[in-house]
Amino acid sequence: GENVEQHPSTLSVQEGDSAVIKCTYSDSASNYFPWYKQELGKRPQLIIDIRSNVGEKKDQRIAVTLNKTAKHFSLHITETQPEDSAVYFCAADSGGSNYKLTFGKGTLLTVNP
Amino acid sequence: DGGITQSPKYLFRKEGQNVTLSCEQNLNHDAMYWYRQDPGQGLRLIYYSQIVNDFQKGDIAEGYSVSREKKESFPLTVTSAQKNPTAFYLCASSHWTVEEKLFFGSGTQLSVL
Repeated sequence: GENVEQHPSTLSVQEGDSAVIKCTYSDSASNYFPWYKQELGKRPQLIIDIRSNVGEKKDQRIAVTLNKTAKHFSLHITETQPEDSAVYFCAADSGGSNYKLTFGKGTLLTVNP
Repeated sequence: DGGITQSPKYLFRKEGQNVTLSCEQNLNHDAMYWYRQDPGQGLRLIYYSQIVNDFQKGDIAEGYSVSREKKESFPLTVTSAQKNPTAFYLCASSHWTVEEKLFFGSGTQLSVL
């Protein structure tokens, strides 16, 4: 089955700096790669996603890049703000199923004022 | 926050007891999912259902059971066969497949007495 590795497990940055979280996946048939943000005590929410026919996608201060050959994708957050502090999860679909998402173990991002 | 409701927020299980976690959605979504969240482990898929009266095992289904008698409801039973049930359980739904945004409930924290 699909295996998703996520690094780093914790990341601390100063407000205004950039943050990068990286994920690798094992199933070459995976086509969909979402990122979810979970603030403390709250439910996970989708912040951005990318499909395999696209190499990069941006939404204001966040961007995701995908390298299908290397089977890795990354989340980039620019001009970080304290409200960006949360746990971020990457995920990949299982190529053989439209209903299975495999999540990484999460990255705790702390933005220091 | 509305749309998908989990109850109770906290639940305690005695040795040998089965307990049922409730998940209801009013989003008219076809697909529903149960995830287990352990600290540092990400989200792991327990069961999912694409349509009423049909469900499939996820990656960690042993010791759990589900039913999908109504489109709106997807209850999860943690049986006595689940030897390590202490975890945070998240229910989610999507309109059709995981390539559409997953909407998560607020979760149930299950602990063993």
